[in-house]
Amino acid sequence: GEDVEQSLFLSVREGDSSVINCTYTDSSSTYLYWYKQEPGAGLQLLTYIFSNMDMKQDQRLTVLLNKKDKHLSLRIADTQTGDSAIYFCAEKRDNTGKLIFGQGTTLQVKP
Amino acid sequence: EAGVAQSPRYKIIEKRQSVAFWCNPISGHATLYWYQQILGQGPKLLIQFQNNGVVDDSQLPKDRFSAERLKGVDSTLKIQPAKLEDSAVYLCASAVGGDTQYFGPGTRLTVL
Repeated sequence: GEDVEQSLFLSVREGDSSVINCTYTDSSSTYLYWYKQEPGAGLQLLTYIFSNMDMKQDQRLTVLLNKKDKHLSLRIADTQTGDSAIYFCAEKRDNTGKLIFGQGTTLQVKP
Repeated sequence: EAGVAQSPRYKIIEKRQSVAFWCNPISGHATLYWYQQILGQGPKLLIQFQNNGVVDDSQLPKDRFSAERLKGVDSTLKIQPAKLEDSAVYLCASAVGGDTQYFGPGTRLTVL
């Protein structure tokens, strides 16, 4: 199928780490992306990982990719209330750039 | 660098009316995408342009939706006539070729 799957909701306390998980379907996907969407706003690119990498770190963000299991995760260290948003993973399947998105994970950060 | 611009930000219409959305991509981005995001779901691609040519419109409901990018820069997406199920956020994104996509703020459409 075409589905990219994400858990719908995650709640953490401020200062804790958050881990958002995603499974995708196409083993030939070249890039995998994480986007953030705040209420009433468009999608903000957070980070991406090329399919031949296992891990990518960018400040508080760490992306882990398990190609065998088609599993992608986003870890946010020291989560802040400003990180509260919906997080979407997306896979790029071919050279046209078409993205297939998951349904989004709502991250709630409690003070 | 200016981001992707979209207008209007909000639109409320009655079913069977027509509506048009406008997108201005990031300067120099040849590829432009229109996505539909229904509440509680991820965005789904409607149409992709490369310059002023259509690359993929397989998910565009062509009986009521149309899009154009006549000069290879700005684009308009039209719905005629609108149905209740068209209520959604319409997102425009642009990219250099097939690279990373940058999204605009979206147009929230409510069909009554």
